Amino acid sequence: GDSVTQMEGPVTLSEEAFLTINCTYTATGYPSLFWYVQYPGEGLQLLLKATKADDKGSNKGFEATYRKETTSFHLEKGSVQVSDSAVYFCALKGAGSYQLTFGKGTKLSVIP
Amino acid sequence: DAGITQSPRHKVTETGTPVTLRCHQTENHRYMYWYRQDPGHGLRLIHYSYGVKDTDKGEVSDGYSVSRSKTEDFLLTLESATSSQTSVYFCAISESGFYGGEETQYFGPGTRLLVL
Repeated sequence: GDSVTQMEGPVTLSEEAFLTINCTYTATGYPSLFWYVQYPGEGLQLLLKATKADDKGSNKGFEATYRKETTSFHLEKGSVQVSDSAVYFCALKGAGSYQLTFGKGTKLSVIP
Repeated sequence: DAGITQSPRHKVTETGTPVTLRCHQTENHRYMYWYRQDPGHGLRLIHYSYGVKDTDKGEVSDGYSVSRSKTEDFLLTLESATSSQTSVYFCAISESGFYGGEETQYFGPGTRLLVL
């Protein structure tokens, strides 16, 4: 079945540091890939998505590129802020499936 | 933000009691989902609905039932709550589902349930 593996946290960075959260997946066919963010006490918000190979999703300074050859969708940001502190989830949705398959989440803490 | 509300937002109950959680949407989206979130597991699908009175099981459906009598409401019932059902429950909606592989799901704020 489909699965998502993302780097385990927690990750602690200083403000303005570079962020990478690794995400790899296993799926049949050509899934769509997502990054969701969950701020403390809130629900999940879509951060960005990509629907086909080599697509780059971007939002709020975050980027991720759909790499089919390495089955990866790593999240990056060039300069993190304290307000980026949250839990980040990588997810996929296979073609022909209703279900989103999530990774376990990576908690990011950014310190001033 | 997608118009999704969940009620109650917090609930404490005792083992063996029935519990019903409600998800309400104002977007008129056809597809609705219930997930549970547990540490170390991410989110896992419990049940989903692809229309009024049309529902199906997800990955972790044992001990749960759902109903959808109106487009805007999707109810999740724990028939006899157990401590293993202590979790945070999220409702999600999407405009399309099966054929739209890229279709985005939008999430509600969650219900935190504690079963003693």
